Order: sequence, then structure tokens, then C-alpha cells
Amino acid sequence: GAVVSQHPSRVICKSGTSVKIECRSLDFQATTMFWYRQFPKQSLMLMATSNEGSKATYEQGVEKDKFLINHASLTLSTLTVTSAHPEDSSFYICSATPFEGRTGELFFGEGSRLTVL
Amino acid sequence: QQQVKQSPQSLIVQKGGIPIINCAYENTAFDYFPWYQQFPGKGPALLIAIRPDVSEKKEGRFTISFNKSAKQFSLHIMDSQPGDSATYFCAASSNNGNQFYFGTGTSLTVIP
Repeated sequence: GAVVSQHPSRVICKSGTSVKIECRSLDFQATTMFWYRQFPKQSLMLMATSNEGSKATYEQGVEKDKFLINHASLTLSTLTVTSAHPEDSSFYICSATPFEGRTGELFFGEGSRLTVL
Repeated sequence: QQQVKQSPQSLIVQKGGIPIINCAYENTAFDYFPWYQQFPGKGPALLIAIRPDVSEKKEGRFTISFNKSAKQFSLHIMDSQPGDSATYFCAASSNNGNQFYFGTGTSLTVIP
């Protein structure tokens, strides 16, 4: 299957700092990328949908000023958690769907574990 | 409103057993139904997927059964192994892949 690379896999930061997580589609162009948050033993909670070159669409209840999403190219999307607080500690996962061919398939990154001290 | 309903929440089977995980949906516009396998601390991995034009798809020990009239689909794992112990998510997609809806997940434990 297609490969989506997510970096870093783990990050620990102090409260008040900002953290950037990168999501790259390695062998396909992604028209759409999704960012999820997952709490222990729970399902995937969609945070936002990003399309290359346009503003991300955030789900209800997700603070767009806190979770900045940039989809600068067809292979890269970034999530920046600004002024992180301990309650932002979570497992963040990105996913991407190909630009053409294999319509409808969705591939996930390995996830990023954020711990805010 | 949960677009995709998944059951059971957890499942324990003996090695060699055939766990079955069920999902139901309401939106008839869905046209792609994947299953994902997730191990602790990892992102979900696409396991197998089906489209509404077929009623069954098999890949190795994994089989999807799809009932379009009932708007239900299920995952069967043949000859289950301890290494299959993971969380499984069903999903449904429409609109050319711009929208995906996930079930709540099933935690599967296969006992040696």
C-alpha cells in the first residue's frame, strides 16, 4: 500500500511552547489530508480536513487558532499545536488520500505522541 | 449522529477461532468500505476494503461480507492468531474520498 510518513513519532514539550508535526505522502500525491486525535482506547476523532493550497476545514469544537494546519504541497501537510498545554497531550494521526487512481483509499501515518509537561 | 455503527466493542477468541466484527451504516451514498487494523502506539493500517458492487471480498485470512440491502458489512478473520490481537476499525467513504466516517473500534484479543 501507499506510504504516509509522520514525524516526529514522539515529542515532549513544555507548556506554552509550540510543536509542529509533519505528514508526508511518500509515493503518491495527496489531494486531501486529514488530521485526527486519538485518546487511549478510543476511536479516531477527526480534527480537520486539509486540501492542498486552501484553508483547512475544522470540525466543530476544534480551535483553529490552536491547531494550525498547513497543506503547502500535494505531499506535505503540517499540524502545529500552538501554546501547548497538558490537556493537548494526545496521539495525533494524519492520513492522506491519493490525487488520482485508487479513488477512495485512505492511508495513515504512524502517529505522533505528544506529551506536554 | 454516528454515521457508522460498529460492534462489538471488544472480542476475545481462542487461537484458530473466527472473530466477526460488524458494522452498519445509513447513508446509501457511501461507496467504499475499508477496514483498518491498529496496534498500540501505531497508526491504523488499511487491511481490506470493499465496494458495493460485490458481496464478498477475501484477502488471505481476512474476508469482508457486504449486504447492500441491509446496509451492513462485516469482517471475518479466519484461523485467528495471537498476532491478530489489535483494534479494528470499519469505515465508510463517499464523495470521492473526501469524507471518511469511522466506527468506534473493536478491541480483539486472540488467546494462544
